[in-house]
Amino acid sequence: DQQVKQNSPSLSVQEGRISILNCDYTNSMFDYFLWYKKYPAEGPTFLISISSIKDKNEDGRFTVFLNKSAKHLSLHIVPSQPGDSAVYFCAARNNAGNMLTFGGGTRLMVKP
Amino acid sequence: GAGVSQSPSNKVTEKGKDVELRCDPISGHTALYWYRQSLGQGLEFLIYFQGNSAPDKSGLPSDRFSAERTGGSVSTLTIQRTQQEDSAVYLCASSLVRGALGGYTFGSGTRLTVV
Repeated sequence: DQQVKQNSPSLSVQEGRISILNCDYTNSMFDYFLWYKKYPAEGPTFLISISSIKDKNEDGRFTVFLNKSAKHLSLHIVPSQPGDSAVYFCAARNNAGNMLTFGGGTRLMVKP
Repeated sequence: GAGVSQSPSNKVTEKGKDVELRCDPISGHTALYWYRQSLGQGLEFLIYFQGNSAPDKSGLPSDRFSAERTGGSVSTLTIQRTQQEDSAVYLCASSLVRGALGGYTFGSGTRLTVV
């Protein structure tokens, strides 16, 4: 039973346009949601997070939106750059604060 | 060290053999996590260590898997009698405190291939 799902395995976007990565979850007890970025042969690196009591968090080109009623979050990257090409993982933290549950990842390709 | 170090980076082993994967967390990080990523899958939680507390082993897929953390620092993940379905990238992460937001620092992983 996947508690965190990323339904799009891949996404291709033109440089300069917006990239929107989506994530759905089933457990309403998660207290924080995070996005990680992973390049080949490297470990995932933290990108941005959002508390379950917020609906938006922005950091430079990256914005995460949370819709609690729909149990859905999304990561917006504007403008997209070729260096953003990577696999993006959505993760949710349990309210005990000791575990992250990850989605299956979305491979983003930004074309020059 | 500056980051989380994992060794080896690649391991090819024959089915039925035992393997040991090592993780050196960031100095001072009290929490240590093992995840694995099978081909085309997300990151699957395996085990979590927090300080001197008993580890949370709820994610270990079978009793062939075990892990220990010596002196609150280095951790070893052992897989006995490896099977082909154990082939995956095994990722270790550490954080300063448990569940630190953005504070999970991952190593580059060990790619295990069981032939």
